Amino acid sequence: DSGVTQTPKHLITATGQRVTLRCSPRSGDLSVYWYQQSLDQGLQFLIQYYNGEERAKGNILERFSAQQFPDLHSELNLSSLELGDSALYFCASSVGQVSMNTEAFFGQGTRLTVV
Amino acid sequence: AQSVTQLGSHVSVSEGALVLLRCNYSSSVPPYLFWYVQYPNQGLQLLLKYTTGATLVKGINGFEAEFKKSETSFHLTKPSAHMSDAAEYFCAVSDRGSGNTGKLIFGQGTTLQVKP
Repeated sequence: DSGVTQTPKHLITATGQRVTLRCSPRSGDLSVYWYQQSLDQGLQFLIQYYNGEERAKGNILERFSAQQFPDLHSELNLSSLELGDSALYFCASSVGQVSMNTEAFFGQGTRLTVV
Repeated sequence: AQSVTQLGSHVSVSEGALVLLRCNYSSSVPPYLFWYVQYPNQGLQLLLKYTTGATLVKGINGFEAEFKKSETSFHLTKPSAHMSDAAEYFCAVSDRGSGNTGKLIFGQGTTLQVKP
């Protein structure tokens, strides 16, 4: 158990809908990262928050947004869903930035299926 | 921009044989280097990482990797494969230095099959 909790584990929804994925980081971790794993794109970095503020942005679509709340949990909002958004979405957390003395711990992921 | 290339999307070995999973990176300065393992229906677990110092890094479950700057490589090895090693393995890099945000750039992954 990494200590990172993601809910829900599975989500099935229709095209055009909006969903929210939730992540609770490990106790004490200030950084939260979101990644998307799909068959065609592999594992891609989406966005990072540090202590409530956006820190880095990757290949995140405009239809997607995220935030980190004062209690440090984070939510990833996906809207106007398309079939191609079907993927495994991972959250990871670390104390601060990943560096010599830190590492990122990954949750078990949320499997999103868009039908 | 940084990138990671894993040679071979699928590697098959016999139980007890040497495991070698290849990873090459592209970066203007040597980055932090990681190997993660993903078992079916699970998240990613860190096997080992290279940040500084000794270039041969030992990780969990008997795995090790060697950082070779001249070859921009960070290949993962294990002397003797176990059935329980069957999983997907990801090589990843992260910036070092003041601009480091901690985001990881992953390779495409290598599926390791272990045959009895």
